[in-house]
Amino acid sequence: NAGVTQTPKFQVLKTGQSMTLQCAQDMNHEYMSWYRQDPGMGLRLIHYSVGAGITDQGEVPNGYNVSRSTTEDFPLRLLSAAPSQTSVYFCASWGSYNEQFFGPGTRLTVL
Amino acid sequence: GNSVTQMEGPVTLSEEAFLTINCTYTATGYPSLFWYVQYPGEGLQLLLKATKADDKGSNKGFEATYRKETTSFHLEKGSVQVSDSAVYFCALSDPDTGNQFYFGTGTSLTVIP
Repeated sequence: NAGVTQTPKFQVLKTGQSMTLQCAQDMNHEYMSWYRQDPGMGLRLIHYSVGAGITDQGEVPNGYNVSRSTTEDFPLRLLSAAPSQTSVYFCASWGSYNEQFFGPGTRLTVL
Repeated sequence: GNSVTQMEGPVTLSEEAFLTINCTYTATGYPSLFWYVQYPGEGLQLLLKATKADDKGSNKGFEATYRKETTSFHLEKGSVQVSDSAVYFCALSDPDTGNQFYFGTGTSLTVIP
C-alpha cells in the first residue's frame, strides 16, 4: 500500500513551458486535491475532485488544469509556466472520515 | 467565509518544556478541526482531529479541544522532545460540503536538547 505518490520530486521549467505533475493513490479514496505551499502562506487549494469525472476549483486555480479520468489518478497540468508558479505542490486524497493523506510533494522552480 | 489563523512562529523550546500553539478559526457553520504535522522534506500527516464542539483530539502526547465559544483549537503538549521539531498546521473542513480544507500558515517548532 503506497498511499499517495507524486512524480516528479523536483522540476525546473523555463517560463512558458508546460508540464504535468502526476498524483496517484491506491486507497480507493473518492476525494483528491492539489495544494501549493508557499512561505508564510500555508497551503492553498488549487483544484479538487469529488470523484472520477468531477472536478472543481479551489482558492487559486488560475494557470492550472486538472482532470480525473480514474479514481486513482489526479494529474495537475501547467499549460504555460510562470515564475509565480514556483512553489511546492502537494496532492492529497481522503475518504469518508475527512482524514487527508498527503503525497511527499513536488518542488517546482520556474525560471 | 472560512479561514484559520494560527500563532506566528518560529517557536524554539527546550526539551521537556510545555508547548502551546494557538489556533482560531472563522467558519459559516460547524466545521471539523484538524492539526497536521510536517517533518522536513515530507508531506503533511494528520496529528489529531475533532469533529464537534467540546471534543478533544489527542495523539502522541498532543491534545487540542474544540472550543465553539472561543472558536479555537489550540495545540498543547506537556513535555516536548527533540523529535517533535516540525511545522504544525491547523486546518478546518468546509462545514457545508466537507470537500474543501482551509489551512493556517503553519508554525515552525524547534526543540533543543
